[in-house]
Amino acid sequence: AQSVTQPDIHITVSEGASLELRCNYSYGATPYLFWYVQSPGQGLQLLLKYFSGDTLVQGIKGFEAEFKRSQSSFNLRKPSVHWSDAAEYFCAVGISSNTGKLIFGQGTTLQVKP
Amino acid sequence: EAGVVQSPRYKIIEKKQPVAFWCNPISGHNTLYWYLQNLGQGPELLIRYENEEAVDDSQLPKDRFSAERLKGVDSTLKIQPAELGDSAVYLCASSDQITGELFFGEGSRLTVL
Repeated sequence: AQSVTQPDIHITVSEGASLELRCNYSYGATPYLFWYVQSPGQGLQLLLKYFSGDTLVQGIKGFEAEFKRSQSSFNLRKPSVHWSDAAEYFCAVGISSNTGKLIFGQGTTLQVKP
Repeated sequence: EAGVVQSPRYKIIEKKQPVAFWCNPISGHNTLYWYLQNLGQGPELLIRYENEEAVDDSQLPKDRFSAERLKGVDSTLKIQPAELGDSAVYLCASSDQITGELFFGEGSRLTVL
């Protein structure tokens, strides 16, 4: 069965510091991988997605993620965090590129210190 | 362009009462989803519609939950009767056939007392 694990429930970084949020997935076939961000009281917004090809994926707001098949990981990174990046981040795996049936991790809450 | 619109944003009810949530997807999006998000958890799919047909409702607790999308546009999710454990955020999302990207509404937060 598909599953997604986000090992870090809560992360705090200083503004301007680099960020890496971890995501590990379990899926037998080629996964379709996503990162979403959710600000308080808001819906989820897609940051980036990986379907195939280049394993380093660029997204919105300066985020990127790298797909590593050997490690079953899809970690999200940002070189320099801004205070507005404070939110909850969800990694998700899909069984196809467009069914919308996604399995989400439990999320990582990012706090940004001034 | 308007996004996915959900109402109500917040609802507080007593257990055993009924409740309904409404969703208006992005215009032209054929696929509509209802997701359940418990506190501190990621969303879980409840039901997916292709136009007016429910093509995946395997995770919908059918004893108390029901959903409809009669004209293939707006959708309603109903719980009757509500239980304490139903307190959560109910998210609606829609996608088009080309990109398949999901666009989420802001959610309806339910509190059952």
